[in-house]
Amino acid sequence: NAGVTQTPKFRVLKTGQSMTLLCAQDMNHEYMYWYRQDPGMGLRLIHYSVGEGTTAKGEVPDGYNVSRLKKQNFLLGLESAAPSQTSVYFCASSHYPGDQPRSPYNEQFFGPGTRLTVL
Amino acid sequence: AQSVTQLGSHVSVSEGALVLLRCNYSSSVPPYLFWYVQYPNQGLQLLLKYTSAATLVKGINGFEAEFKKSETSFHLTKPSAHMSDAAEYFCAASEGFQKLVFGTGTRLLVSP
Repeated sequence: NAGVTQTPKFRVLKTGQSMTLLCAQDMNHEYMYWYRQDPGMGLRLIHYSVGEGTTAKGEVPDGYNVSRLKKQNFLLGLESAAPSQTSVYFCASSHYPGDQPRSPYNEQFFGPGTRLTVL
Repeated sequence: AQSVTQLGSHVSVSEGALVLLRCNYSSSVPPYLFWYVQYPNQGLQLLLKYTSAATLVKGINGFEAEFKKSETSFHLTKPSAHMSDAAEYFCAASEGFQKLVFGTGTRLLVSP
């Protein structure tokens, strides 16, 4: 049971280049999330998904796109990278609350992160 | 919208001393509350969570947190710090259905 994995671990891009970050979870979680972590700003939600084929915007969605074609995978895309997107990106997943009646609000499980630098 | 405030970006303690990390939330309706820990170059790991079952919540590694509605607070404590507790700690509050809002984090430094 690998939990939440992220690919790649590190990446350096030039301004204007594109890339896709892959998140995979093997816990059969319904919900998946993408966050970015910047010094002094904590974690901010970029996009999230409440199920296969559905996505929604979070707090800071501009410049990013996502897709959830399979339940276990959640992809984050940067179409034209900018230096402001230099950050550490974390993926997370969680159960649908109905799966655990004693815990109406389930914890999010995090991946190890992807460190992205845009030059 | 929900907001979470963590007082002090850095907290320094000596090994064996009390650890107190502060967290306040903004909503008038008590949310679900979480403390996560992040060790260097790793993802976030859940320490404990408050889901209205009990106001004093015990977590892993000897940490606990007390929910105080009157103070809109959920401070994290540990009676005796250990060197291995050095990490960054994040408080988070629920917003809507299954979303979390995170504080800006507090880095705990433990000196021998």
